[in-house]
Amino acid sequence: AQTVTQSQPEMSVQEAETVTLSCTYDTSESDYYLFWYKQPPSRQMILVIRQEAYKQQNATENRFSVNFQKAAKSFSLKISDSQLGDAAMYFCAYRSGANSGGSNYKLTFGKGTLLTVNP
Amino acid sequence: NAGVTQTPKFRILKIGQSMTLQCTQDMNHNYMYWYRQDPGMGLKLIYYSVGAGITDKGEVPNGYNVSRSTTEDFPLRLELAAPSQTSVYFCASSRRAQETQYFGPGTRLLVL
Repeated sequence: AQTVTQSQPEMSVQEAETVTLSCTYDTSESDYYLFWYKQPPSRQMILVIRQEAYKQQNATENRFSVNFQKAAKSFSLKISDSQLGDAAMYFCAYRSGANSGGSNYKLTFGKGTLLTVNP
Repeated sequence: NAGVTQTPKFRILKIGQSMTLQCTQDMNHNYMYWYRQDPGMGLKLIYYSVGAGITDKGEVPNGYNVSRSTTEDFPLRLELAAPSQTSVYFCASSRRAQETQYFGPGTRLLVL
């Protein structure tokens, strides 16, 4: 079974600075997808960024970028120019690349990292 | 385009009561999912559906039932509520299995 580990329960960053959130995962599959979701106090789960394992290029979305190290099974999220609105719980998630089978449809989540942005 | 909507936002149930959590999506997605999030944890899959009339169990299905009579709606039924079902429940949908899952705003359920 796949597992996702976020080793930093809490992180803080100064406004306008850069912060990196860590995520490691364990899988025997070669085809899979990785995600970072943001959960602000409203509890809404918001997709931040997505990475396909077959792509070597790291995904970027504006101020958000990932460092995907497939061999090391590492998937960290870098937030540049941090803003007060970035404060939230961030979850790393894994999904199998297989197209059938109940367990393949689910997202496997880490326990989350609570990010605080200081003004 | 409202995306995924869920009702109610919050509910208190007594032990043994039943209720249905509603989920609707207007994106014409085939795949729909129910997750629960316990305090300090990530989400766990309860049930999922790959299309109208087709549902299957996820990781933690005990105590729940689902149905999918239309593409848009995927209600989650709790029978005989127990304190262990106190959680936040999220509905999600995706166009295809491999594609990104989009989440609703969640329903907070307290069973006392």
